[in-house]
Amino acid sequence: DGGITQSPKYLFRKEGQNVTLSCEQNLNHDAMYWYRQDPGQGLRLIYYSQIVNDFQKGDIAEGYSVSREKKESFPLTVTSAQKNPTAFYLCASSIESLGYNEQFFGPGTRLTVL
Amino acid sequence: AQSVAQPEDQVNVAEGNPLTVKCTYSVSGNPYLFWYVQYPNRGLQFLLKYITGDNLVKGSYGFEAEFNKSQTSFHLKKPSALVSDSALYFCAVRDNTGNQFYFGTGTSLTVIP
Repeated sequence: DGGITQSPKYLFRKEGQNVTLSCEQNLNHDAMYWYRQDPGQGLRLIYYSQIVNDFQKGDIAEGYSVSREKKESFPLTVTSAQKNPTAFYLCASSIESLGYNEQFFGPGTRLTVL
Repeated sequence: AQSVAQPEDQVNVAEGNPLTVKCTYSVSGNPYLFWYVQYPNRGLQFLLKYITGDNLVKGSYGFEAEFNKSQTSFHLKKPSALVSDSALYFCAVRDNTGNQFYFGTGTSLTVIP
């Protein structure tokens, strides 16, 4: 099966801890994205990557970090600097970063800070 | 600046009736427009997109959307709603020069049996 996987599905973190959310795709897509979803606010872009070893900040990058060492992987680290990290996190990919190609989404990770 | 507006947080419709979920957009160039559906605690699923050509676009699960350039709208429609259509619907836009997708805040659709 082709698609995007995210793990874990649920994640609990104590204040002051860093946590890393996994995102893997076997669609051979060049572009990958991380979004944060909060009730009533839609999806907000955290980071995106157009190609391996390159990524750009989105609208709400503060307190987050990413890496793109492999085409199929785009992990997101939520650092202790993120003041309100409790949210639903969605990873997505598309064939390319420009143009009319739609995004494919993973199932999401729900992060809760205790 | 690119943006998307979904003016209705909630839409209720009776099963078997037609449904419409509204979306308006603002982009600096020619728009690429998308509709996605999200079921609880799941990722978004692609429904349909407008690139160019016919203003009426047909997509998955019997959904269609009408592009109206003069009104800068891209409303999602279905002739006969099913209870299983109850979900959260997102409109998104991308212009033909940009890297990012811009999403609306979502519309919760409830189909009443």
